[in-house]
Amino acid sequence: ILNVEQSPQSLHVQEGDSTNFTCSFPSSNFYALHWYRWETAKSPEALFVMTLNGDEKKKGRISATLNTKEGYSYLYIKGSQPEDSATYLCASQTGANNLFFGTGTRLTVIP
Amino acid sequence: DTAVSQTPKYLVTQMGNDKSIKCEQNLGHDTMYWYKQDSKKFLKIMFSYNNKELIINETVPNRFSPKSPDKAHLNLHINSLELGDSAVYFCASSRRRGGTDTQYFGPGTRLTVL
Repeated sequence: ILNVEQSPQSLHVQEGDSTNFTCSFPSSNFYALHWYRWETAKSPEALFVMTLNGDEKKKGRISATLNTKEGYSYLYIKGSQPEDSATYLCASQTGANNLFFGTGTRLTVIP
Repeated sequence: DTAVSQTPKYLVTQMGNDKSIKCEQNLGHDTMYWYKQDSKKFLKIMFSYNNKELIINETVPNRFSPKSPDKAHLNLHINSLELGDSAVYFCASSRRRGGTDTQYFGPGTRLTVL
């Protein structure tokens, strides 16, 4: 079982603000880092899968970076919108496709 | 069409009963999983199943057993339910095991044991 931590646990931002949150994971035996977006009453949806140190991925206003040597990933949201309100989960993968999830950062964007 | 579906969505039952949760994926994936969301909201892997190969998280009690009638289904059977089994259970699937393939999740089944 891997210890994956996310911070902050919850976050409120005003519409239009940019924000970011952190995922920390053990750097040993690292294979991949996954980000998911989880809206209330829905299934978690994949955002990014990242494998290489220094990797940066972008999807619209959301982007993520990865540092495998120090064991962290940042997720950024530019110009937050109310529809961005969700819980953002990260998961570290060590191989064999088992994901070890953090508890998520719950984002609320206030109109 | 829902890619990964679970039934039932809610399950309320008495302690000591045996129950099953069904999971189906229509993505043609080779690997399926069961996760348990615990009281601290962690999603924890219980099982992964690929081509009749089962990998079990050793912390899962043997009252829990996955059963796969075919590649598209992985059902979760729970015997002698206990209060601590109350949780939300999520099924997921991915194209294969061992790569960085995205896992697609079902909507979850909220199990309440009274």
